Amino acid sequence: QKEVEQNSGPLSVPEGAIASLNCTYSDRGSQSFFWYRQYSGKSPELIMFIYSNGDKEDGRFTAQLNKASQYVSLLIRDSQPSDSATYLCAGHGSGNTGKLIFGQGTTLQVKP
Amino acid sequence: DTGVSQDPRHKITKRGQNVTFRCDPISEHNRLYWYRQTLGQGPEFLTYFQNEAQLEKSRLLSDRFSAERPKGSFSTLEIQRTEQGDSAMYLCASSLYGSGQETQYFGPGTRLLVL
Repeated sequence: QKEVEQNSGPLSVPEGAIASLNCTYSDRGSQSFFWYRQYSGKSPELIMFIYSNGDKEDGRFTAQLNKASQYVSLLIRDSQPSDSATYLCAGHGSGNTGKLIFGQGTTLQVKP
Repeated sequence: DTGVSQDPRHKITKRGQNVTFRCDPISEHNRLYWYRQTLGQGPEFLTYFQNEAQLEKSRLLSDRFSAERPKGSFSTLEIQRTEQGDSAMYLCASSLYGSGQETQYFGPGTRLLVL
């Protein structure tokens, strides 16, 4: 079992819709989670992080964390074609480590 | 542009050759990470430094890989006797540890192709 799992997609949504991206993790010791966006051929770009149960909103993005279910999600409201990219979920390894454990990423396609 | 720079951006080499990559982190950041990413996969952790100390190396990291951060600023990653399986994007990230939530910012990456 991979430590961080994402559906590779592609997830296709129409422009203006809400895109919902999901991630599960196996290490209950993981405390902080990050969402990165990666355009084809480019490096990952940090969107937001979350470490408390519940929701965290930043503009059109909302991250959700449920530690009991070991589940992290990212909602993108009013999706735009420019949001088309691969979205990477990552968690800090448990224990005193700074390394991030990444999922394989979900490809999002926003169709005009 | 996050402020993390990597050099070179692209490298083509022949199997068996040695290659070295450089990463310059955001200036005030004390941690520096190396990851490797292959097509269709998320980045895979290789190693990281806090200042000049190498704190952790992946168990998957072959002895052919070595990394340094001699003065706690820039870092180099060397791959000796390259193999075709080393072809990947090598990503560097930096962070400020000890001041709130640690967040890692990635450089543009070095794309390696081993022929």
